[in-house]
Amino acid sequence: KAGVTQTPRYLIKTRGQQVTLSCSPISGHRSVSWYQQTPGQGLQFLFEYFSETQRNKGNFPGRFSGRQFSNSRSEMNVSTLELGDSALYLCASSLEQFSYEQYFGPGTRLTVT
Amino acid sequence: GNSVTQMEGPVTLSEEAFLTINCTYTATGYPSLFWYVQYPGEGLQLLLKATKADDKGSNKGFEATYRKETTSFHLEKGSVQVSDSAVYFCALISGGSYIPTFGRGTSLIVHP
Repeated sequence: KAGVTQTPRYLIKTRGQQVTLSCSPISGHRSVSWYQQTPGQGLQFLFEYFSETQRNKGNFPGRFSGRQFSNSRSEMNVSTLELGDSALYLCASSLEQFSYEQYFGPGTRLTVT
Repeated sequence: GNSVTQMEGPVTLSEEAFLTINCTYTATGYPSLFWYVQYPGEGLQLLLKATKADDKGSNKGFEATYRKETTSFHLEKGSVQVSDSAVYFCALISGGSYIPTFGRGTSLIVHP
């Protein structure tokens, strides 16, 4: 069974631009969560989507948003990029919402210059 | 709120040495506890889990026991290999919130 895939793997953007990251969960998984990983803050939860609805949200500004499609694929959008948004963005999928077991993708490395 | 504290790394060991990575937590209710591993350039992989007190999670030679009395979930392996070099994350999910809380990660470097 294919794992979680994320595209693109690497991205360089300029401050003020916006970016969209994509995540395809494991087949059959209906929940997708997003995380930001930085050396300074560690791994922080952004949000979780299930059945095309946001079910949980972390403590991030409104510039960070996401959505989930009917096939469970998810996208994350960051508008008005700041230098501090440079990070590894990880997507994780699970069978159901509020699941204890999540399977992570390899991440998208975003660099904001 | 919930929090997870891991020992700072890097932890540097020789091959076949014994490994312990300490993890302690504070949480509301009765959390489920997890260890994840992140190899260079990859996402996190669930290594093992324990969902109630005194449970022992194990996988690939790694073990961790859920100790409620000491609020700890230390990761151990009897004989590490070079291929175990990675960053290890302790995490919890408590019943009150399904948002996982991760520790800062501990880097393990194993030399031949």
